[in-house]
Parts: sequence; C-alpha cells; structure tokens
Amino acid sequence: GQQLNQSPQSMFIQEGEDVSMNCTSSSIFNTWLWYKQDPGEGPVLLIALYKAGELTSNGRLTAQFGITRKDSFLNISASIPSDVGIYFCAGLRQGAQKLVFGQGTRLTINP
Amino acid sequence: GAGVSQSPSNKVTEKGKDVELRCDPISGHTALYWYRQSLGQGLEFLIYFQGNSAPDKSGLPSDRFSAERTGGSVSTLTIQRTQQEDSAVYLCASSPASSSYNEQFFGPGTRLTVL
Repeated sequence: GQQLNQSPQSMFIQEGEDVSMNCTSSSIFNTWLWYKQDPGEGPVLLIALYKAGELTSNGRLTAQFGITRKDSFLNISASIPSDVGIYFCAGLRQGAQKLVFGQGTRLTINP
Repeated sequence: GAGVSQSPSNKVTEKGKDVELRCDPISGHTALYWYRQSLGQGLEFLIYFQGNSAPDKSGLPSDRFSAERTGGSVSTLTIQRTQQEDSAVYLCASSPASSSYNEQFFGPGTRLTVL
C-alpha cells in the first residue's frame, strides 16, 4: 500500500543532542500525526497537526505541518535515554478513513 | 480509562494451524483497525471497521485472513493455515466517533511466530 517517505531510517546520537526527522509525500494530507513506539509496545501518539503551517510542541518535541501539506517534520531537543524507540509519521488525506504510515525512524542514543 | 487491549501478547504456532487474535477497543470507540508490523518495518493496514458499516478489507493480504467485530466492540482477526511469512506483530487500534482527524490509539500488539 501507499507509504510516506520517512527519513532517516535510523539515527545514532549522543545524549543531549537534538534530533530531526521528516516525512514527505507526493500527495496532499489534511492531518499529520507523529507516533513513538517502544520495544514490545504499540505506537503512542505524540503530536497531531491539523493545519498547513501549524507548529506544535509537546515538551521537548516540536512538529510542523508543511505549508505545501505534503510534508511534516519532528524535532526532539536535548535528547535523553528514554527517547530511544521508533518514531512513525502518519498522514490522513482528505476524505480518507485510513492513515498512511511512514516506515519509521529508529532512534538510538549513546549515553 | 482503559486503553486498547490485545490477547494473547505472544502466540507461537506451527505452520498450517489456524490462529485467532483478539482486540478490545477503548469503550465507546466506533472505529477499529488492524495492522501488521513485520520486523523492522512500518505498519501495514489490514482491515478497518466503522460502526455498522461494511468493513474495509482492502488490506488483507490473502483469503486466509479474516476479521469480525461483534456487537460493535471486540474484534477477532483470524489467520487460517498459517505460513511462516505471517510471523509479525499484529496491532489493533481504535478511534472515537467524535474524532474527525482519525487519531488512533493502539494496543500493545500480538507477536505471532509461525514455526
């Protein structure tokens, strides 16, 4: 099925560093969602974006809905060990009932 | 309140056997989704239930896969004559009727291993 292009696929960083990941598509989306999945768990919603250009923060996380409505990014500032996991973007096209997911970004943090 | 629950958390079965995976959505959520996540991969949509409407089965990979939702609540995903390539984590998610933005809440998943 259709996938979003999420990058990078994996990141290896030092604790305290900032992180940036993004998702792009050739299609227009009305909603962008960012999820985090810990090992052995289901994805948990981090941030939801509903308007083009919207910038939303949740603690050390910041996400933006691209102005073209075809992309979104997620930033994590001052990473800590519990940020380790897989981050997924997901988008919802107008009139659609099913989310389209990116392939995920696996974040590893070296203490 | 309680989140989405799934059972069993782990299932090991032999090739050719049938398996049933269960999902209990969040109370009051009318939409229910099943996804498959293979090792190191993203989420693959399988099937979607919304209220009393006919389910969207467009993601089911073969006719060995089926799902039902009884009474608009609990859902069961059945895989018949399992194959090794069916090994994956099967995730269930639910969404409230009031959500026009499709915010989905996920269960912890069932890890299926087909030997």
